[in-house]
Amino acid sequence: QKEVEQNSGPLSVPEGAIASLNCTYSDRGSQSFFWYRQYSGKSPELIMFIYSNGDKEDGRFTAQLNKASQYVSLLIRDSQPSDSATYLCAVRSSGTYKYIFGTGTRLKVLA
Amino acid sequence: GAVVSQHPSWVICKSGTSVKIECRSLDFQATTMFWYRQFPKQSLMLMATSNEGSKATYEQGVEKDKFLINHASLTLSTLTVTSAHPEDSSFYICSARDNQETQYFGPGTRLLVL
Repeated sequence: QKEVEQNSGPLSVPEGAIASLNCTYSDRGSQSFFWYRQYSGKSPELIMFIYSNGDKEDGRFTAQLNKASQYVSLLIRDSQPSDSATYLCAVRSSGTYKYIFGTGTRLKVLA
Repeated sequence: GAVVSQHPSWVICKSGTSVKIECRSLDFQATTMFWYRQFPKQSLMLMATSNEGSKATYEQGVEKDKFLINHASLTLSTLTVTSAHPEDSSFYICSARDNQETQYFGPGTRLLVL
């Protein structure tokens, strides 16, 4: 059973701080990794994807991937109250286009 | 960025009726689309994978005769909930895969069956 694990939270951080969201996955054959943000009552919105080990930065967001440890994370710098949402980690395994989603981490940024 | 639309955004129907939901990729062609369902405070549950020009692939436990999927073109997939019952009330979300394998989600359709 391929699994993606996330801490459900809530993770509370003060405005302006760095929020660190973590995700682990069980399938070593996983190829691609995605972070989505989902506001309450809305559908998921793609934040970024990462395929290779290391860091990938896009504005205030940095994704970090460590395939040896089967670990992917998302850092949000200068967190804003508008970043308060549930963050979903998704993993694509080799040989399929399907994603396996984690249950999401709820982030609260306190003003 | 890639845009995916869904219609309708809200639907209320009587028990026993059928409801069709459309999913369109507006600015790219999608050979593969996915249909998810999400109950309150739960994660996304993949229902089926829709491939253009072929039959959909359903996840275990999802009734293919109840949730009819058609993917007639590279930009349109439809999900029909047949003989809907109150337990089918949920948030239905489609996604479309671009040629870089990234999935982009539609805004979702809230279905309430009375």
